[in-house]
Amino acid sequence: KAGVTQTPRYLIKTRGQQVTLSCSPISGHRSVSWYQQTPGQGLQFLFEYFSETQRNKGNFPGRFSGRQFSNSRSEMNVSTLELGDSALYLCASSLEWDGSNEQFFGPGTRLTVL
Amino acid sequence: AQSVTQLDSQVPVFEEAPVELRCNYSSSVSVYLFWYVQYPNQGLQLLLKYLSGSTLVKGINGFEAEFNKSQTSFHLRKPSVHISDTAEYFCAVSAVTGGGNKLTFGTGTQLKVEL
Repeated sequence: KAGVTQTPRYLIKTRGQQVTLSCSPISGHRSVSWYQQTPGQGLQFLFEYFSETQRNKGNFPGRFSGRQFSNSRSEMNVSTLELGDSALYLCASSLEWDGSNEQFFGPGTRLTVL
Repeated sequence: AQSVTQLDSQVPVFEEAPVELRCNYSSSVSVYLFWYVQYPNQGLQLLLKYLSGSTLVKGINGFEAEFNKSQTSFHLRKPSVHISDTAEYFCAVSAVTGGGNKLTFGTGTQLKVEL
């Protein structure tokens, strides 16, 4: 069974631009969550989608948004990029919207904002 | 809301020695508890989880953890480490009800195994 895939793996953008990251969950998984990982703030929850609906949202500004498609694939978008948005963005998939399920993480997309 | 504290940012240990990575949590609701490992340039991999029942949980790669409700702790242990265990380890919690899969992570502990 294929794991969680994230594209692209690396991305370089400049301040003010916008970016879209993609996540393909494990086949059959309906929940996709996104996390931001930085050396200073650690791992922080961005949002979770389940059956195309946002079920949870972390404390990030409105510049961060996401969506989920009917095939459970998810995208997250960051508009008006700031230097502080440089981070590793991880997505994780799970079978159901239930905290007891194991979450499977992708390798991440490393975003660098210049 | 939940919070997780990992007091040790780095733990050096010699190969074949035992190790304990500490994790304490705070929550106003019941939580599930997890330990994840992250190898360089990779995503996170689940080591073990506590949902309910026996407080001693065994995971992959010889790791185990003990849930202590009175001390709100979930320390990770391994009786004999290998070089390949060198990685960053994260403790995390999720709410039992209403939180979905949202994980709150600790700041991580870098385990460095030396010869």
